[in-house]
Amino acid sequence: RKEVEQDPGPFNVPEGATVAFNCTYSNSASQSFFWYRQDCRKEPKLLMSVYSSGNEDGRFTAQLNRASQYISLLIRDSKLSDSATYLCVVKPPAGGTSYGKLTFGQGTILTVHP
Amino acid sequence: GAGVSQSPSNKVTEKGKDVELRCDPISGHTALYWYRQSLGQGLEFLIYFQGNSAPDKSGLPSDRFSAERTGGSVSTLTIQRTQQEDSAVYLCASSLDPLAATRREQYFGPGTRLTVT
Repeated sequence: RKEVEQDPGPFNVPEGATVAFNCTYSNSASQSFFWYRQDCRKEPKLLMSVYSSGNEDGRFTAQLNRASQYISLLIRDSKLSDSATYLCVVKPPAGGTSYGKLTFGQGTILTVHP
Repeated sequence: GAGVSQSPSNKVTEKGKDVELRCDPISGHTALYWYRQSLGQGLEFLIYFQGNSAPDKSGLPSDRFSAERTGGSVSTLTIQRTQQEDSAVYLCASSLDPLAATRREQYFGPGTRLTVT
């Protein structure tokens, strides 16, 4: 089983649609969780951290379910500029030698069309 | 301010040759990471440097891969006797000390696209 697994996508949605991505992780001791965004042939950039209580940043809402080891990202009112690959990212707990390492999911491709 | 820079941006090499990839982290960032991204694969962790601590080399795929970080700043990733399966985009990232706060953002460079022919 992969450490981080995501919906394979791709997702093709019209402008204004709401779209949700899911992600599961295998290490129950994982400490921190993130969503990164990667545009075509560009480097990944942090979109948002995921907090235990869930958090929102404008049109983006992230949720974490530790019991189910599940993370989600909801995008409301999709824009053309949201088209990108969305990467689910997990960080191990503090104290280990691999603490700095991020583990990435395969990514989910989103295309928003007019 | 300046972000993470990497050079070269593209590198084409023949199978069996050695290559060196360079990363300049953001000034003041104590942590430096190397990842690679192959076509159809996700980002794969390679190695992590934090300050003067011994690097975490757990992601290096073989002993042909090595990395150094001189003076706590610039890093070089070396691949010896390159193979076609080494073809990928090699991404460097840097951050402030991840142990000081759990959510230190890693800032990625633009990557080096390596093609082994």
